[in-house]
Amino acid sequence: GEDVEQSLFLSVREGDSSVINCTYTDSSSTYLYWYKQEPGAGLQLLTYIFSNMDMKQDQRLTVLLNKKDKHLSLRIADTQTGDSAIYFCAESGNDKIIFGKGTRLHILP
Amino acid sequence: DSGVTQTPKHLITATGQRVTLRCSPRSGDLSVYWYQQSLDQGLQFLIQYYNGEERAKGNILERFSAQQFPDLHSELNLSSLELGDSALYFCASSIDGGQYNEQFFGPGTRLTVL
Repeated sequence: GEDVEQSLFLSVREGDSSVINCTYTDSSSTYLYWYKQEPGAGLQLLTYIFSNMDMKQDQRLTVLLNKKDKHLSLRIADTQTGDSAIYFCAESGNDKIIFGKGTRLHILP
Repeated sequence: DSGVTQTPKHLITATGQRVTLRCSPRSGDLSVYWYQQSLDQGLQFLIQYYNGEERAKGNILERFSAQQFPDLHSELNLSSLELGDSALYFCASSIDGGQYNEQFFGPGTRLTVL
């Protein structure tokens, strides 16, 4: 069945770039998403990319999509303490959305 | 504020009991999704309703059931509770279940089974 996988934990120094990676299996995915979950809150959409795009940039966020390898990444430039959260990769197509288990981003001082 | 409300915020109960979690979607959203989040399993999709009808089923146990009412609010019923059911339960809503599927999440209900 379809699956979305991502590493569970990432530590980054404040001011450095964070790169969170994700792989998915469903080749019919139409949209891919990054959601952010801050402590004590629900998930919130951070950004998304349409499957015919390779890259999307939005201020400090860069999303890269390699459709051939079914690999999605989220780069956060100049990581700040407020970026500390769990980041979920998700993919949708055919009326279904599948989330990864989430990557917990820890910011080191 | 996502516009999705969930009640109660916290629930503490004993093994073997039954509880009902409630969700009100954003105004205008027809789809409601239920998720379970635990430390070891991550975010697990349970079930989706669209305009009152069940649309998709995920890893939902037989002890769990849900429904969506005519006013589009939804309830998740958990019965014969076990210690392992302790988790954060999220409801999310979207306009429809189409290909672009931005979901708006509620703040969650934290269930503790003792």
